[in-house]
Parts: sequence; C-alpha cells; structure tokens
Amino acid sequence: DAKTTQPPSMDCAEGRAANLPCNHSTISGNEYVYWYRQIHSQGPQYIIHGLKNNETNEMASLIITEDRKSSTLILPHATLRDTAVYYCIASSNTGKLIFGQGTTLQVKP
Amino acid sequence: ETGVTQTPRHLVMGMTNKKSLKCEQHLGHNAMYWYKQSAKKPLELMFVYSLEERVENNSVPSRFSPECPNSSHLFLHLHTLQPEDSALYLCASSQEGGYSTDTQYFGPGTRLTVL
Repeated sequence: DAKTTQPPSMDCAEGRAANLPCNHSTISGNEYVYWYRQIHSQGPQYIIHGLKNNETNEMASLIITEDRKSSTLILPHATLRDTAVYYCIASSNTGKLIFGQGTTLQVKP
Repeated sequence: ETGVTQTPRHLVMGMTNKKSLKCEQHLGHNAMYWYKQSAKKPLELMFVYSLEERVENNSVPSRFSPECPNSSHLFLHLHTLQPEDSALYLCASSQEGGYSTDTQYFGPGTRLTVL
C-alpha cells in the first residue's frame, strides 16, 4: 500500500472550512484513498473514501487530484467537536489499513 | 455508536494475570480485526479474521491469543503480559475483509494497563 504524507497539525476557526491535505504520490491504480478520524482516546471513525472522482457525504468532501497524487479532505463548517486526529490512508484490496501519524486538527472558537 | 462494542472499556492487570478482551459487532459483517495503539504511536494491525478464519497475524507475540468463535464475536486472550503491552486495544469489523477495500468500523477500545 502506498505511503501517505500529512502535515502533523493544523488549526481552523470554528464555522470555517477545514481543508486537510494528503500526499500519496506513489499511489497505484487500484488503491483507494480513505479518511478516518480519531477523537481523543476513542476508536477511529470512518469519514469518506474515493478512488478517482470527488466524493461528498454528510460529514465531508474528498477532492482527489486528476493525477491521484494528492487529495484534500474538506470539513465545510468545522465545529469544536471536529477537533481530532485525521488519518489519510491509501489502501488496495488487501483489507489492511496502515495508519500513519495523521494530522491533528484543532478547531478554535 | 458504530455497532461495534468492546468490553471491558478499562482493564488493569498484573504481569501474571490472564484476562480476555471481548468485541462484538452488530452489523452483520464477515471480517473482524484487532489493532493496538500505544501512546503517541499509530495504530498497529495485530490480527484479521475473515469468516472466522485467521487471515493475518502481524508477528504478534504469543502472549496475545485471538479467538473468533463466530462472525459476530472476537476475543483477545492475554497472559503474562509486559508493561510495554499497555495500550488502547481496538476492535474493528468490515463487510468482507481479508482481500477487500471495504470500510472498517471501530469499537471504542479497551484501555489496558499492565502493572
């Protein structure tokens, strides 16, 4: 599975959009981009995933570049409860999720 | 609430004790996973079960012994642990598992402290 690179931390003002970047320059054609988040000492929570096209659900939007070498998770209106560690994972059909250090997002009032 | 429950939520044990962690999923999934998350470290995959058969064992010491009696239940039996085994142990489930890209749903975890 491809390695992903994320900034270690980011801040976002409450009510503003949070844009979390992820680089996955070695991603292969059959690897999906998954995003999970982990609120302090809880189990990770699935957010969204995609292969090529941009995706949107009730939690977030996922924008994948045309060359698939990077992506951005967008939380449209961040709240204090969105403060968490966000993980970007590139996963093929092995059923494995390889978690990195993720991005710690701090939403501030 | 993800449909995956874990008990106990907190456990303190001595190095000579034997204890078990339990995970139950109410999602009708066929695959279940154990992960370990030590302080300030990423999650590490320990075991994967698909249709009650172990399909992955990531070089985990034998003092950790998994058991999957059916597709809804997963146990992690612990014996003669070391203090460095103190961690958050997370269970997850997915529809297929093993060789699929489907989404995993995590339980709240068991916080284990080994004295």
